[in-house]
Amino acid sequence: KNQVEQSPQSLIILEGKNCTLQCNYTVSPFSNLRWYKQDTGRGPVSLTIMTFSENTKSNGRYTATLDADTKQSSLHITASQLSDSASYICVVSLTYGQNFVFGPGTRLSVLP
Amino acid sequence: NAGVTQTPKFRVLKTGQSMTLLCAQDMNHEYMYWYRQDPGMGLRLIHYSVGEGTTAKGEVPDGYNVSRLKKQNFLLGLESAAPSQTSVYFCASSYSRQGNSPLHFGNGTRLTVT
Repeated sequence: KNQVEQSPQSLIILEGKNCTLQCNYTVSPFSNLRWYKQDTGRGPVSLTIMTFSENTKSNGRYTATLDADTKQSSLHITASQLSDSASYICVVSLTYGQNFVFGPGTRLSVLP
Repeated sequence: NAGVTQTPKFRVLKTGQSMTLLCAQDMNHEYMYWYRQDPGMGLRLIHYSVGEGTTAKGEVPDGYNVSRLKKQNFLLGLESAAPSQTSVYFCASSYSRQGNSPLHFGNGTRLTVT
C-alpha cells in the first residue's frame, strides 16, 4: 500500500532554533517528493519539489533532503521564526495516474 | 492575480441537503483537483480533471459529483449530504502533473453536516 508517514506528529521549538522534520514513504513507482507548508485556516503552499535524482533542495531557510534508496526525506528549518508555525506536509507523486500521496503532516509551533 | 479561489468558505448542512462548492483558478491550468482533509489524515483525492470537459474519480469519490464545463472552474457537488462528509475541502490546480509543476491550493471550504 502506498503510504507516507511523518514524524514527529507535533513539535514545539523556540524562535531562532533549528529543527528537522522527517518523512518516510512506501510509494512506488516514485516520481517526485514535495514539501508543503500549511498555515492554519489556509491551503498548503509549495516549498520544494525533488525528483529521483535530486538529494537536496533549498528554499530560503528551508532545506529538503531526499534519500531515494532508504525512501526517506527530511525538511530542515534554520533560524526559525514565529511565522514558521504551521503544518508541514510531505507529498509523494507516482509516475502514473493522478495520484499524489499525502502525509498527515507535522504541526510545528515556534514560541517567542 | 487571485490564484485559486474557493466559495463558500464555511457551510453547515443538514443530513440529506445538497450543495455545490465552486473552485475558480486564473492561472490557465489544465489540471484541477478536489481533496478533503480530515484530522490526523493526509489529503485524499475525491475527483480530478485533466482539462475542460473531463472528470475522473479519485480515491474517495462516493457521494460526490463534479463538473468542469469551463477550463477555469471546477465544481464539486454533494447530492445528499451525510455526517461522514463533514470535512475541509480543498481545490487545487496545476500546469502539468509531473516535473516541477506544484499544486496551487485554495484556502478551503469548511463543511459541517449535522
